[in-house]
Formats: sequence, C-alpha cells, structure tokens
Amino acid sequence: AQSVAQPEDQVNVAEGNPLTVKCTYSVSGNPYLFWYVQYPNRGLQFLLKYITGDNLVKGSYGFEAEFNKSQTSFHLKKPSALVSDSALYFCAVRDGQAGTALIFGKGTTLSVSS
Amino acid sequence: DVKVTQSSRYLVKRTGEKVFLECVQDMDHENMFWYRQDPGLGLRLIYFSYDVKMKEKGDIPEGYSVSREKKERFSLILESASTNQTSMYLCASSLGRGGYQPQHFGDGTRLSIL
Repeated sequence: AQSVAQPEDQVNVAEGNPLTVKCTYSVSGNPYLFWYVQYPNRGLQFLLKYITGDNLVKGSYGFEAEFNKSQTSFHLKKPSALVSDSALYFCAVRDGQAGTALIFGKGTTLSVSS
Repeated sequence: DVKVTQSSRYLVKRTGEKVFLECVQDMDHENMFWYRQDPGLGLRLIYFSYDVKMKEKGDIPEGYSVSREKKERFSLILESASTNQTSMYLCASSLGRGGYQPQHFGDGTRLSIL
C-alpha cells in the first residue's frame, strides 16, 4: 500500500535562513510526488512535482525539492525563507504504475520569524 | 488560470438534514475530487470521478454520495448529516488520466453540523 509521511508537525526558521520540510513515501511502483501549500482559509496551491527525470525539481515561489530514490524522500527546500512562506505544506504521492489515487501527508506547518 | 469554485465558504446545518456541496471547474478537466480536511489528519479522499456520470469511492465514502451530471460540476451529498461530518471540505480537479497532472483546489467549504 502506498503511504506518505511528514515527520515534523511544525518547522520554525528565521527569515533569510534556508528551510527544509521533510517528506518520505512508500509505493510499489514509480512514485509521482507533489508538494502543495495552504494559506489560512484557502485551498491548496500546487508548488512542484516530480514524475521522472532530473532529481532536483524547481517550483513556484523559489521552492525546490530533491527526489532521493534510495532514501524514498522528497524534501522541500528553499535557500532563503521569507515571512510570507509561513503556511501549511502538504506532500502527496501516487503510485504511477498502480494507477491509485493521490495520498496526502498530514501536513507540516512552517513558521518563519522576522 | 484554472478556477475551481465551491458554492459556499461557510455552511451551518442541523443533524439529519440532507446537505449539498457544489463544486464547479472552468478548465474542462476530466477528473474531480472531494476531500475532507481535519486537523492532524491531513486530506482524506471521499469520492472522485474520472468522467461524467462516473464515480469511485475514496478512503472514507460512508455517509456521503456524489453526483456528476455535467463535466464541470461535481456535487457532494451528505445523506443525513451528523456531527462527525463537521469539517473543511475541499474540491479539486485535474487534467487527464495519467495521474501526473497536479490537482487544482477550491477554497473549501467549512461545514458545521449542529
């Protein structure tokens, strides 16, 4: 069965510092991986995805993520955090071969202090 | 830009009522989804649809049904509302059958059952 884990409920960073939001996954076949962000009282917004190809994926708002097959991870990163990055972040995975639905992690709250 | 519109941002209903949540997308997407979002549980899939008049159960379909009579509209129905269905409900749509296109979300309906 496929699953996704976000081991940290909350990540705190200072503005200007690099940030990492962690995600690990488990699928039988090849993973399709996604990151979404949710601001208060809004729906989820797509940030980036990995389907195939280059392991480093660049997305919206300066975010990037690195696919690591051996560690089954897809951590979200940004070199320099902004206060406006404070939000709830979701990792999601789909088994590309099994044709299953997208499974979301429980979410990580990112808090960036000024 | 894709727009997914949910008919109500906030809704208050009483136990036992039949409740309709409406969702409309304007990008001719084949796929539409209903999720509920609860703190600490992330997003859980209720139902999804790959085509008009087609529906598939997600992880938590009990107590819900759906209707997709037109491609752009996907309705979630709470047959007899109960207090444990108080939640944030999110609708999403996506393009194509491959599962590698991102889902686009509405801003959600916060439903309270009294």
